[in-house]
Amino acid sequence: QLQLQESGPGLVKPSETLSLTCSVSGGSISGSGSYWGWIRQPPGKGLEWIGSVYFSGGTFYNPSLKSRVTISVDTSKNHFSLKLSSVTAADTAVYHCARPVNRGINDGFDIWGQGSMVTVSS
Amino acid sequence: DIQMTQSPSTLSASVGDRVTITCRASQTIFSWLAWYQQKPGKAPKLLIYKASDLQSGVPSRFSGSGSGTEFTLAISSLQPDDFATYYCQQYHTYPVTFGQGTKVEIK
Repeated sequence: QLQLQESGPGLVKPSETLSLTCSVSGGSISGSGSYWGWIRQPPGKGLEWIGSVYFSGGTFYNPSLKSRVTISVDTSKNHFSLKLSSVTAADTAVYHCARPVNRGINDGFDIWGQGSMVTVSS
Repeated sequence: DIQMTQSPSTLSASVGDRVTITCRASQTIFSWLAWYQQKPGKAPKLLIYKASDLQSGVPSRFSGSGSGTEFTLAISSLQPDDFATYYCQQYHTYPVTFGQGTKVEIK
């Protein structure tokens, strides 16, 4: 059974870079033929797709965040990562990793990590 | 970006009620729509895919309908476990976008 688990610092200072990792268990990223995504949710608000990485490394980002986002994959560690630079309080959110239903870039998400709360504060 | 607008934002209902939630897209998305249920502190759970396909394990009291720009999620007989927030999501066009959510509360 495929499971995703986010990890990373829960507190980041303004202007610094937020870094999170999503570890995949119960399946292999390298054999998946899939995109893998990051989605965030500010406290009390809705969901926003941040971007996705293909198992072989190609990426798509939300244009609203593109200048600050980098998503990468490490198949040897079976995980993928998110970096968001120059963070502000508006980036405070629960960050989820997720896998698309049909492995595509324009897709729904059927497997989610539990989420990692990141607070931006000095 | 395609804007997804849900109504109502909050819905108060009783156990056993039939409830419906509407999701409107700012342009046609054909049937490329998903519905999620989210409970506090938990990840969203995919309920319905491609507007009307019920995911495995989801109770049959949930149903989805619509195409083009207007969609509906219906719960035929509300159960205690169904009090949650529901989101729609379009995946016709990059970037995928979500509705703002509908909170189903106990009346």
